[in-house]
Amino acid sequence: EIVLTQSPATLSLSPGERATLSCGASQSVYTNYLAWYQQKPGLAPRLLIYDASSRATGIPDRFSGSGSGTDFTLTISRLEPEDFAVYYCQQYDSSFTFGGGTKVEIK
Amino acid sequence: QVQLVESGGGVVQPGRSLRLSCAASGFAFSTYGMHWVRQAPGKGLEWVALIWYDGSNKFYADSVKGRFTISRDNSKHTLYLQMNSLRAEDTALYYCARDLYDHWSGYYTAPLSDWGQGTLVTVSS
Repeated sequence: EIVLTQSPATLSLSPGERATLSCGASQSVYTNYLAWYQQKPGLAPRLLIYDASSRATGIPDRFSGSGSGTDFTLTISRLEPEDFAVYYCQQYDSSFTFGGGTKVEIK
Repeated sequence: QVQLVESGGGVVQPGRSLRLSCAASGFAFSTYGMHWVRQAPGKGLEWVALIWYDGSNKFYADSVKGRFTISRDNSKHTLYLQMNSLRAEDTALYYCARDLYDHWSGYYTAPLSDWGQGTLVTVSS
């Protein structure tokens, strides 16, 4: 099973700042079948990024994904108030696993 | 628009059974793989099971293998999760979710593009 480790657990930033979230895999995700989801309190997760770097429909371009192999990154170029949430990475190359999540909170 | 509505959650004693349903609308249900994903209170996401578009293949997390069964009725546009031998650690909000790609896309796997709002299962004596 591919284990995904997200860091940091919590990121405290101000609106307008840049957010960089990391997702490390215990073994290579060769196909780059890696997705990022956003979850706000009381709501279902929302797909942001798939195939490591493709934005899902309707996702603003301030969200970008990068990386390959075992190291992946979600970047939010300038945080908007609605971006404060929990973010999960997920691999769908070898079965399916989620990372533990990164909470982006207002500083 | 895609709509997924889960139902069937509730409070159940350890060792008992429960069946969850997910009613789908707004898309060609019979052409998409479907998943169950759960989230324990205050915790992260855990993938539970996948069923192919036609029900021909099913995959499970190790934590539920042998106890849970995923199924679907394409004529009713409905996904199911039969949960047997329930344990306290199965307590969670259960989401159904749809693959991003339909069967005809040629992809063997996919991220989860659309999610329901979840149904809460509490296993407690």
